[in-house]
Amino acid sequence: DAGVIQSPRHEVTEMGQEVTLRCKPISGHDYLFWYRQTMMRGLELLIYFNNNVPIDDSGMPEDRFSAKMPNASFSTLKIQPSEPRDSAVYFCASSFISQETQYFGPGTRLLVL
Amino acid sequence: SQQGEEDPQALSIQEGENATMNCSYKTSINNLQWYRQNSGRGLVHLILIRSNEREKHSGRLRVTLDTSKKSSSLLITASRAADTASYFCATDYNTGNQFYFGTGTSLTVIP
Repeated sequence: DAGVIQSPRHEVTEMGQEVTLRCKPISGHDYLFWYRQTMMRGLELLIYFNNNVPIDDSGMPEDRFSAKMPNASFSTLKIQPSEPRDSAVYFCASSFISQETQYFGPGTRLLVL
Repeated sequence: SQQGEEDPQALSIQEGENATMNCSYKTSINNLQWYRQNSGRGLVHLILIRSNEREKHSGRLRVTLDTSKKSSSLLITASRAADTASYFCATDYNTGNQFYFGTGTSLTVIP
């Protein structure tokens, strides 16, 4: 398997623009997690899905953030409108069982100017 | 915060030496995991230890878990320059399905 795939790997955008991050989990994994990593706050869980259904989105910082998982092989994290403080590395991870090993993608490095 | 805390925040050692890093957490857990993150990369799973286990080995890695002290340690023996990375502990906490990651220990192994 190719592992968790994220795109784009780097994104530079201007404040106010919409940003869409994409993730393809490992085939057969039924849990998908979105994390944000910054120097100040470390690695934060934003939202996770089980069988394409959002289970806990309490980590989503604001209504500007939204996530979807239309099918088992694709998820998006959208920020609209983006702000400079959203600049971070966003990781997607998937797992077969929720409390077992998570497999992380390479991350999307987002810079909002 | 439900995050675990790693200690030390940064560690620098010579190649061949052993590296020990610690993780403390706050509430009961089902299991605890250790992950490695190389600069600019995603996290990679190293080892999982369950709450009913006290010690686990994987290659040059040795993990201990003391549930009475709510702490875990990761020992890397005979360190190599390639071990240079940040190391994170992740705890599940019985309350949910997600993991909470600690703040990480940055390890530098000097050749």
